[in-house]
Amino acid sequence: DTEVTQTPKHLVMGMTNKKSLKCEQHMGHRAMYWYKQKAKKPPELMFVYSYEKLSINESVPSRFSPECPNSSLLNLHLHALQPEDSALYLCASQGYTGELFFGEGSRLTVL
Amino acid sequence: DAKTTQPNSMESNEEEPVHLPCNHSTISGTDYIHWYRQLPSQGPEYVIHGLTSNVNNRMASLAIAEDRKSSTLILHRATLRDAAVYYCILRAPTLYGNKLVFGAGTILRVKS
Repeated sequence: DTEVTQTPKHLVMGMTNKKSLKCEQHMGHRAMYWYKQKAKKPPELMFVYSYEKLSINESVPSRFSPECPNSSLLNLHLHALQPEDSALYLCASQGYTGELFFGEGSRLTVL
Repeated sequence: DAKTTQPNSMESNEEEPVHLPCNHSTISGTDYIHWYRQLPSQGPEYVIHGLTSNVNNRMASLAIAEDRKSSTLILHRATLRDAAVYYCILRAPTLYGNKLVFGAGTILRVKS
């Protein structure tokens, strides 16, 4: 099993909603990442978890709240988002030789 | 953070080799060079990585300059399925939890 699974694939939410994105891997990897990608731009690093602890936060606004309940699961909690937060949110886990395995992403639209 | 520079776009003919360059003049002695590609409507996909020596795998080859200030990803026979954005990224030697930052990448177009 070499997959990173992200759910939901698509999410539409209002600016007052609270929602969560979920990412799961069963490869035994100990580092997981969240990236944000706008159309025709490269992925932009948001958060890095290493051994279930937050190791990198790239000055992301507090309306994005990551959580790593266990080594297989990574969540991104969303609250009071703005329309400009609409993007593709990518999760990745880091393999044993440092390479990243990405999911297909969750496409978020904020109305 | 060491930065990478790549051409905005390149074009290739199908069945011909493609050489995608990347400059990383501020690379530290222990940074790994990673390459990823992103096909339309998909997440990025790992292609190959190396430290000092040239590397080959089933997808591509990676040629690293002797001074490590540049590298080249080589696709030996481009197919239409290789049309994607190719990213060159530097990774610090710590195995887990690195600050892996994507640059603008190179859009590869493959003509039939």
